[in-house]
Amino acid sequence: KQEVTQIPAALSVPEGENLVLNCSFTDSAIYNLQWFRQDPGKGLTSLLLIQSSQREQTSGRLNASLDKSSGRSTLYIAASQPGDSATYLCAVISYNTDKLIFGTGTRLQVFP
Amino acid sequence: GAGVSQSPSNKVTEKGKDVELRCDPISGHTALYWYRQSLGQGLEFLIYFQGNSAPDKSGLPSDRFSAERTGGSVSTLTIQRTQQEDSAVYLCASSSGLALDEQYFGPGTRLTVT
Repeated sequence: KQEVTQIPAALSVPEGENLVLNCSFTDSAIYNLQWFRQDPGKGLTSLLLIQSSQREQTSGRLNASLDKSSGRSTLYIAASQPGDSATYLCAVISYNTDKLIFGTGTRLQVFP
Repeated sequence: GAGVSQSPSNKVTEKGKDVELRCDPISGHTALYWYRQSLGQGLEFLIYFQGNSAPDKSGLPSDRFSAERTGGSVSTLTIQRTQQEDSAVYLCASSSGLALDEQYFGPGTRLTVT
């Protein structure tokens, strides 16, 4: 059974810092991994999708890497801003399924 | 519409009543998913549709929960005889139909059972 874990559960940093959020999964047989952002009381916004054959994806100040064999992904946020404050979720789709299995998230607060 | 829409955005109901939650996927998306996010819990899968059929219903927590999809578009999630533990945010997502493809989420319906 696929299990997804995210570390840390919460993070509070001053504006301008570079951040690394971690995601690990127990079964490396995945189609892809997605990183999402969730603002309080809101739905999910997709940030980055990494296919199993890819090593990383970049969008603006965000960079996500994938090491499928070790069951790990990291989300790197450069030059963090207060507007980055949200909960960040990673999720995987395992082979022979179509459903996303989510981690429990990292709650990020960036203060001015 | 540009994205996935859900209605209502908020629903408060009394224990024992039935509720219906609606999801409008992105036009042309053949795959539709329902997930649930309970207070203090992670996001959990409920059911997946490909067209009008549901090849994976494994996440439905009890037989009080059912869902249907008509015309390959709109989906309705029905919860009968609601219980307090059903209180959660119910999220709908759609994708173009392949497991490789990105899932796009709606804003969710917040259900509160009193």
